[in-house]
Amino acid sequence: SQTIHQWPATLVQPVGSPLSLECTVEGTSNPNLYWYRQAAGRGLQLLFYSVGIGQISSEVPQNLSASRPQDRQFILSSKKLLLSDSGFYLCAWREEDRDTEAFFGQGTRLTVV
Amino acid sequence: AQSVTQLGSHVSVSEGALVLLRCNYSSSVPPYLFWYVQYPNQGLQLLLKYTSAATLVKGINGFEAEFKKSETSFHLTKPSAHMSDAAEYFCAVSETGGFKTIFGAGTRLFVKA
Repeated sequence: SQTIHQWPATLVQPVGSPLSLECTVEGTSNPNLYWYRQAAGRGLQLLFYSVGIGQISSEVPQNLSASRPQDRQFILSSKKLLLSDSGFYLCAWREEDRDTEAFFGQGTRLTVV
Repeated sequence: AQSVTQLGSHVSVSEGALVLLRCNYSSSVPPYLFWYVQYPNQGLQLLLKYTSAATLVKGINGFEAEFKKSETSFHLTKPSAHMSDAAEYFCAVSETGGFKTIFGAGTRLFVKA
């Protein structure tokens, strides 16, 4: 069966520090991968998605970037965090070429101080 | 472009009462529709999905939703609320052949004893 791992679960970082959140999927090949951010009362905002290695689509201009160095690995990064980057970050995957549901990781609570 | 509107950011019901969470969507092509549930500090879990088969969809935990094309709605219901249903609920849409799943802002359900 497929599983998705996302870490760390919580993170407190100072303003101006770098960020790296990692997500890996097991049990499937060539999944579509997604990063969402959830802010209180604002639902889930799609940040990035990827349909293959090295292919990244950005939905919202911001202080963040994403990379997909391997088929089942998706990384969210920042060179310098802002206070506004605080939030709950969720990684998700969907099967390639199928309009199925997305499966989510457990999320990372990022607090920028 | 596809979008989702959830009416009511907060809904409060008594234990044993009917649960009704509203969702309206916008899509230029036949949509796939989903309801997810999120418990505090966790990822999202799929409750049910509509993929152009039966318009009345039954999901887990006694929830169901009805797809009404004429009303562009996909409301979530449960005949009798339980305390364990207290959580945040998200409606989502994806388009056939599309890569993205778009989420509504969420509705927080409170269940009173």
